[in-house]
Amino acid sequence: GESVGLHLPTLSVQEGDNSIINCAYSNSASDYFIWYKQESGKGPQFIIDIRSNMDKRQGQRVTVLLNKTVKHLSLQIAATQPGDSAVYFCAETPGFKTIFGAGTRLFVKA
Amino acid sequence: NAGVTQTPKFQVLKTGQSMTLQCAQDMNHNSMYWYRQDPGMGLRLIYYSASEGTTDKGEVPNGYNVSRLNKREFSLRLESAAPSQTSVYFCASSDPGGGFANYGYTFGSGTRLTVV
Repeated sequence: GESVGLHLPTLSVQEGDNSIINCAYSNSASDYFIWYKQESGKGPQFIIDIRSNMDKRQGQRVTVLLNKTVKHLSLQIAATQPGDSAVYFCAETPGFKTIFGAGTRLFVKA
Repeated sequence: NAGVTQTPKFQVLKTGQSMTLQCAQDMNHNSMYWYRQDPGMGLRLIYYSASEGTTDKGEVPNGYNVSRLNKREFSLRLESAAPSQTSVYFCASSDPGGGFANYGYTFGSGTRLTVV
């Protein structure tokens, strides 16, 4: 079936370093992709999105890259802070429904 | 504060009991969703409502029913709870017709349900 996967279940980075979280998607019909952040005990929170007609989009300290050729999505967090510690989900939207990946847990070491 | 409100936050049920999870959003979104989240499984769609007056099954609808009471409210009912329904339940809303910036989901804070 369709799935959105993540290359690494956990990622540990030093405070101040850049973080890169990767995601593979399987549905070539997906035209919209989203990254969510989920802190412990809370619901997922929208971070940044990108449409399939773009290959890069930047937000505040975050950048999403989309490579449609290899069906790959990445989230880059600049100058990672302790408050960035969370689980990050990528999601694809082939049509009305959204398919979520299992998530990558980001640990930030002080 | 604008957003999605879920009640209750925690609940323990005995096998066979019933309960309704409540969800309300104040963003005038058309679409609402119920997901469950289990360790290692990610978010799985239970039911969704594309617009007021419509509901559809998602990936894991068995054992659940929903009601889209009005545009704001979307409830999830467990008629006869089973231990396999122990999970964290999230309600979400979105406005697919609202333009690019509004296509993502806004999630509630979740209901942690344990069925013993």
